[in-house]
Amino acid sequence: DAKTTQPTSMDCAEGRAANLPCNHSTISGNEYVYWYRQIHSQGPQYIIHGLKNNETNEMASLIITEDRKSSTLILPHATLRDTAVYYCIVRHGGGGSEKLVFGKGTKLTVNP
Amino acid sequence: DTAVSQTPKYLVTQMGNDKSIKCEQNLGHDTMYWYKQDSKKFLKIMFSYNNKELIINETVPNRFSPKSPDKAHLNLHINSLELGDSAVYFCASTPGDRDAKLFFGSGTQLSVL
Repeated sequence: DAKTTQPTSMDCAEGRAANLPCNHSTISGNEYVYWYRQIHSQGPQYIIHGLKNNETNEMASLIITEDRKSSTLILPHATLRDTAVYYCIVRHGGGGSEKLVFGKGTKLTVNP
Repeated sequence: DTAVSQTPKYLVTQMGNDKSIKCEQNLGHDTMYWYKQDSKKFLKIMFSYNNKELIINETVPNRFSPKSPDKAHLNLHINSLELGDSAVYFCASTPGDRDAKLFFGSGTQLSVL
């Protein structure tokens, strides 16, 4: 019962920016948007999260629309190691009852 | 230093057996989870514990019993294993803060024959 919609797959050329979209039209006011990725045969890895404002860290940038109904994860200079499944998640609860519901994600393939 | 470690990494066993998967985190986090990833790659939460107390139980069969001896450990014991239990099981932890993020282990691939 994931509350997000993502494209099934995307391709990106190495060195170019990868822009991964996510729709979360039913997000409520106190819910955060989280992004994780899962590289083949590894555990999911946290990337970034945000509430209203755009966020940037050493891995990626997160752009959230003003109405908060969609967001875009940007990997500014994709490398082959960024090939993974990327999950956009709207977070329920808090204080120990956090429940991240993973959807199908977007399989990003970075090509040489 | 591995933040969230699971053992074993691979587990192959026969139907009907009982097995355990261990998880330890050295991050000082209060909350730990078990997730299951099936063959279709869906990642589903099974349990969460906060300071050794069960917080979330997602209608998992009672053959699955999590055990938390202390807040750094959350083990998963599975009785009477079935073919459908074959999956990758991930342990995770989080501080439990308002803006918490999960740290996942590398997974245990369970194959029931």
